[in-house]
Amino acid sequence: NAGVTQTPKFQVLKTGQSMTLQCAQDMNHEYMSWYRQDPGMGLRLIHYSVGAGITDQGEVPNGYNVSRSTTEDFPLRLLSAAPSQTSVYFCASSSLLDGTDTQYFGPGTRLTVL
Amino acid sequence: AQKVTQAQTEISVVEKEDVTLDCVYETRDTTYYLFWYKQPPSGELVFLIRRNSFDEQNEISGRYSWNFQKSTSSFNFTITASQVVDSAVYFCALSEGGRSQGNLIFGKGTKLSVKP
Repeated sequence: NAGVTQTPKFQVLKTGQSMTLQCAQDMNHEYMSWYRQDPGMGLRLIHYSVGAGITDQGEVPNGYNVSRSTTEDFPLRLLSAAPSQTSVYFCASSSLLDGTDTQYFGPGTRLTVL
Repeated sequence: AQKVTQAQTEISVVEKEDVTLDCVYETRDTTYYLFWYKQPPSGELVFLIRRNSFDEQNEISGRYSWNFQKSTSSFNFTITASQVVDSAVYFCALSEGGRSQGNLIFGKGTKLSVKP
C-alpha cells in the first residue's frame, strides 16, 4: 500500500492562477479530507468527503473547490489563487467502517502564491 | 464550541530532561476522541495516540506517556528522558461528532526543541 499520496510536493503560483492539488489513497477509505497548515495556526479543515459523490465544507472552505468522483481520489482546486492561500496542504483519509482505525495523512503540498 | 488549546507555544529542554506538553479541550459531545500527532522538521504528520472519552486509563509507550483527565478536560503528553530526535511540533486534536475517523480540530501546536 502506498497509503495517502499527494502531488505536487511544492508549487509556486502567481496570483490569479488556477491549479489542482492531487490526493489519492489506495486503502479503500470512505472518508477523505483536506487541511491547511499555517504558521502558528495548527491545521484547519477545508473540505471533506464521506464517500464518492459526497462533499462538504469545513472551517475554511472559501477559495477552494473539491469533488469526489472515485473512492481513491479527492482533488482540491484553487480557481484563482491568492497570496492568503500560501500554506502547506495536507490530505487525510480514514475508514468510517472500522472503529479502530484512525486518520492517515499524506506528506503535504507546500504552496506559495506570489 | 469545540476547541483545543495548547498553551505552550515553544518549549526548550536539554537532552534527558522530562517534558510535559499540555492540551486542554472543549466539547459538548459525550463521546469523543483525542489524538496526538508529531510533526518533525521533515514536515509529515506522525500519529502517536488516540484515546476515546470512555477510557481514562493513562497510557505508556516507551518514553511516551499520556494523562487523560475528563474532570479537567486535559490530555497531557509527557516525554521521559527526552532525546534530540524528539524535537518536533506536537499537535493535540479532537474529533468532531463523536467519531474517531471524522473531522479533526487541532490545537495550534507546541514546538519542542531538545538540545544536546
